[in-house]
Amino acid sequence: GENVEQHPSTLSVQEGDSAVIKCTYSDSASNYFPWYKQELGKRPQLIIDIRSNVGEKKDQRIAVTLNKTAKHFSLHITETQPEDSAVYFCADENAGNMLTFGGGTRLMVKP
Amino acid sequence: GAGVSQSPSNKVTEKGKDVELRCDPISGHTALYWYRQSLGQGLEFLIYFQGNSAPDKSGLPSDRFSAERTGGSVSTLTIQRTQQEDSAVYLCASSLNQGGTGELFFGEGSRLTVL
Repeated sequence: GENVEQHPSTLSVQEGDSAVIKCTYSDSASNYFPWYKQELGKRPQLIIDIRSNVGEKKDQRIAVTLNKTAKHFSLHITETQPEDSAVYFCADENAGNMLTFGGGTRLMVKP
Repeated sequence: GAGVSQSPSNKVTEKGKDVELRCDPISGHTALYWYRQSLGQGLEFLIYFQGNSAPDKSGLPSDRFSAERTGGSVSTLTIQRTQQEDSAVYLCASSLNQGGTGELFFGEGSRLTVL
């Protein structure tokens, strides 16, 4: 089955610094790559996604890049703030509309 | 309601008992997913429904786990003869699934504790 690897598992940054989380996937037919944020004790929520026909997408302080040749995609958060502290999950969707999640990254933003 | 509803929100049971967890997706959402999340861990895929059919049951950890979805809406996840390692939060999510998964909307989860 599909395998999504996510790194790092934990990431600590100083407020104002940038954070980058990387994921690799195995299914070359994957065509949709969302990122979910899960705050402590809450449900995961979509923060940004990218489809395979584009290489980059930005939404304010958040951006996602996709390299289909290398089968990896990354989440970039600039000017991090304490409220960015959460667990972030990448995912990919294969041709069968199945969504597979990475193992998650716990981001801690220190004030 | 407007969101995905799950019940019960908390369930404490004794080892060996059966439990049923219910998920009521957003109206009109054809895709429904069950995931399991142990404390501080990732999202473990269990099963996926497209309408009433389950194209992928590969994530069910053992034959003690089963799920059904009737009328293309409500889904029930059943765990028979529960074990302590079944303790986790069981998350349900639904999606419109038109031309691709699109956004998954998660419920608040059902926290299962097996004593």
